[in-house]
Amino acid sequence: EAQVTQNPRYLITVTGKKLTVTCSQNMNHEYMSWYRQDPGLGLRQIYYSMNVEVTDKGDVPEGYKVSRKEKRNFPLILESPSPNQTSLYFCASSITGVNTEAFFGQGTRLTVV
Amino acid sequence: TQLLEQSPQFLSIQEGENLTVYCNSSSVFSSLQWYRQEPGEGPVLLVTVVTGGEVKKLKRLTFQFGDARKDSSLHITAAQPGDTGLYLCAGGNNDYKLSFGAGTTVTVRA
Repeated sequence: EAQVTQNPRYLITVTGKKLTVTCSQNMNHEYMSWYRQDPGLGLRQIYYSMNVEVTDKGDVPEGYKVSRKEKRNFPLILESPSPNQTSLYFCASSITGVNTEAFFGQGTRLTVV
Repeated sequence: TQLLEQSPQFLSIQEGENLTVYCNSSSVFSSLQWYRQEPGEGPVLLVTVVTGGEVKKLKRLTFQFGDARKDSSLHITAAQPGDTGLYLCAGGNNDYKLSFGAGTTVTVRA
């Protein structure tokens, strides 16, 4: 089954404790991206990757890192999480960029206390 | 500041009524997509429009892309409780960035 898999689905952590949210897709898509969703703000793009080893900042990249060492995986790293990073995070992939259909994971609800 | 403005923010209607959701921007987009998101799930694509003036129909849903490719609308005819959800528009550009509107929460009462 074609899918985007995020882990974990739920995470509560403390300020400053490094964490990684994993994202994996099995559709051989070139483009992957991370979004955060906050009430009243919709989805905002954090980082995106056009292909292996090619990443770039979205609209809200501060406090986040990503890597794309393999085509299928695109982890999101929070080196020193802060409470303002409490949010619902989505990973998405598409064949070749934003003009093709984006397939979303089920989301990771992160709480930083 | 939201690049794409959606209106209304909330919409509650009775089953069988019609509704329209709007998505407006001052920017031109190479494509515009509409997604529906249900609680606890990621957004799922409904349609992509790429040509100014384009109209696409998906059963009871009609999507229109403005002539100038800056705005779009989603019209649902004879809404059903299964249409309940968060509707999101998203604009794509050639710079690999995808911008979303804040969404319209639609509730259809039986």
